[in-house]
Amino acid sequence: QITLKESGPALVKPTQTLTLTCTFSGFSLSTTSVGVGWIRQPPGKALEWLALIYWDDDKRYSPSLKSRLTITKDTTKNQVVLTMTNMDLVDTATYYCARWTYFSDSGAYHFDYWGQGTLVSVSS
Amino acid sequence: EIVLTQSPGTLSLSPGERATLSCRASQSVYSSYLTWYQQKPGQTPRLLIYGASSRATGIPDRFIGSGSGTEFTLTISRLEPEDFAVYYCQQYATSPTFGGGTKVEIK
Repeated sequence: QITLKESGPALVKPTQTLTLTCTFSGFSLSTTSVGVGWIRQPPGKALEWLALIYWDDDKRYSPSLKSRLTITKDTTKNQVVLTMTNMDLVDTATYYCARWTYFSDSGAYHFDYWGQGTLVSVSS
Repeated sequence: EIVLTQSPGTLSLSPGERATLSCRASQSVYSSYLTWYQQKPGQTPRLLIYGASSRATGIPDRFIGSGSGTEFTLTISRLEPEDFAVYYCQQYATSPTFGGGTKVEIK
């Protein structure tokens, strides 16, 4: 059974750094063609992709947020950590992590399992 | 960065009707890289269609994905009560982007 779960602070102040942890089970980030991504969703708004990390430690970031994001993995702990610096009110959102997997029949990657999400509010 | 524009923003239909959702890309997207997700209120997004037209495990055959290039469509042939939700398209070339979503609501 594949599960992912996000954890981190529910409330951060403007200018602070947010650190979120995705703890997963049922798969390994040492496995070829597997990755974990972070996606966020402001209340009542659309999904926004933030970052990806692959099994081989290749990392990708949203161009608009690249300067503020860092994604890392700890394969032994089955965890992926996302840090976002200089938090602002507009960063209030539910933050999801999801498995990014290669599907051989499509020849492409997709988010196939998602965590339940964690709501992060930014307020002074 | 490829921008995905979904239309309409909201679709008001009755159970049993056909729903047609559009996803337009700002530049051509390889079909394999086009995915649809369903998100019900208060729930996590669920993988629905991948590779533009392949249904994910457990997805009923009333969900039909089609399209190529810059124009993609999700059709729900006959709406069931559980299909009223928000639908997002997503692509990735070098990095993923999501569309703004289409809400399918009960008329």
